[in-house]
Amino acid sequence: KQEVTQIPAALSVPEGENLVLNCSFTDSAIYNLQWFRQDPGKGLTSLLLIQSSQREQTSGRLNASLDKSSGRSTLYIAASQPGDSATYLCAVDGGSGNTPLVFGKGTRLSVIA
Amino acid sequence: GAVVSQHPSRVICKSGTSVKIECRSLDFQATTMFWYRQFPKQSLMLMATSNEGSKATYEQGVEKDKFLINHASLTLSTLTVTSAHPEDSSFYICSAKTGSQPQHFGDGTRLSIL
Repeated sequence: KQEVTQIPAALSVPEGENLVLNCSFTDSAIYNLQWFRQDPGKGLTSLLLIQSSQREQTSGRLNASLDKSSGRSTLYIAASQPGDSATYLCAVDGGSGNTPLVFGKGTRLSVIA
Repeated sequence: GAVVSQHPSRVICKSGTSVKIECRSLDFQATTMFWYRQFPKQSLMLMATSNEGSKATYEQGVEKDKFLINHASLTLSTLTVTSAHPEDSSFYICSAKTGSQPQHFGDGTRLSIL
């Protein structure tokens, strides 16, 4: 059974810092991996999706990497801003039509102005 | 891009009430819809998988008689929480997908049972 772990559980940084969020998964037979952002009391915003054949994806100040063989992914946020404060969730897709996403517990990020 | 609409966004009701939550895929036909539940400061946990025209598959520990799921068309799935109690208060979120395409999520429903 796939298990997804995110470290750290919470992170507080001053504005402007670069930071890395970590995600690990136990079953490397994945179809893709997604990073989501969730604001308090809100739904999910998809940030980046990495297909299993890809090594990384970039969007603006965000860069996500994937090492499928070692079961790891990182989300790099450059020049963090207070507006980046949210919970970041990593989720793994096993691929078949009926396979749900398996989520980690998330990293709660606070960027202090 | 693909849009999934979930209604209502917020429900507050008395204990014993049944509550229906709708999940619609607006611009694509969803062969599969998933229902997740999220308790405060926890991650999303899958409750059930719903395929159009067939019975939903429930995860272990989820009462199928309490959480009724109907997926009558390729664009609509409903979750009915029957005789809701305070412990059912949670954030419920649906997602929809077709084939091997990525899942698209609704904005969630915050259910509060008094």
